[in-house]
Amino acid sequence: NAGVTQTPKFQVLKTGQSMTLQCAQDMNHEYMSWYRQDPGMGLRLIHYSVGAGITDQGEVPNGYNVSRSTTEDFPLRLLSAAPSQTSVYFCASSRQGVGNEQFFGPGTRLTVL
Amino acid sequence: GQQVMQIPQYQHVQEGEDFTTYCNSSTTLSNIQWYKQRPGGHPVFLIQLVKSGEVKKQKRLTFQFGEAKKNSSLHITATQTTDVGTYFCNNAGNMLTFGGGTRLMVKP
Repeated sequence: NAGVTQTPKFQVLKTGQSMTLQCAQDMNHEYMSWYRQDPGMGLRLIHYSVGAGITDQGEVPNGYNVSRSTTEDFPLRLLSAAPSQTSVYFCASSRQGVGNEQFFGPGTRLTVL
Repeated sequence: GQQVMQIPQYQHVQEGEDFTTYCNSSTTLSNIQWYKQRPGGHPVFLIQLVKSGEVKKQKRLTFQFGEAKKNSSLHITATQTTDVGTYFCNNAGNMLTFGGGTRLMVKP
């Protein structure tokens, strides 16, 4: 199993550009989520999904969109990139149910100029 | 979601010294998870605590869940350079909220 994969690993954008961060998992996990991690800070939840067709907002959803058309994929879209969105983005997945171990992808390092 | 606070934010220790990080909540937690993130890496699951007063050990790491289920701690005995990284606690409730993490630096 590849686990959780994320692409790209690095990305540089100009202010106002849009892009999609890809996340895929091959463990048939129902739960998937997106976090951002800023230097010296913890993980903040952006959006999450409890299953295909179901998404919900986390702590910092503004400026981001998600969709979950399949169990495997959970892309994160930046609609109009801003310098404040410079961060490392992690995707994670887990089995359904409270308290299951989250498996994280390797992260995408995004810089917005 | 329920917020958890971690202290300290940073800790420098000499190799061989002990280290403890604390995770505190103002409300009762259903369970607590601990993760480790090596520099430049991604968070990796260490353990989950569910029961009041629970204590679990993994080699030199000891994890505790408070009697009131409002706090937890991770204690590392005789730190090694391989322990370097950021340790996060996570209230694995509905909102999947993480504490801010404690960054451990070990001087050889």
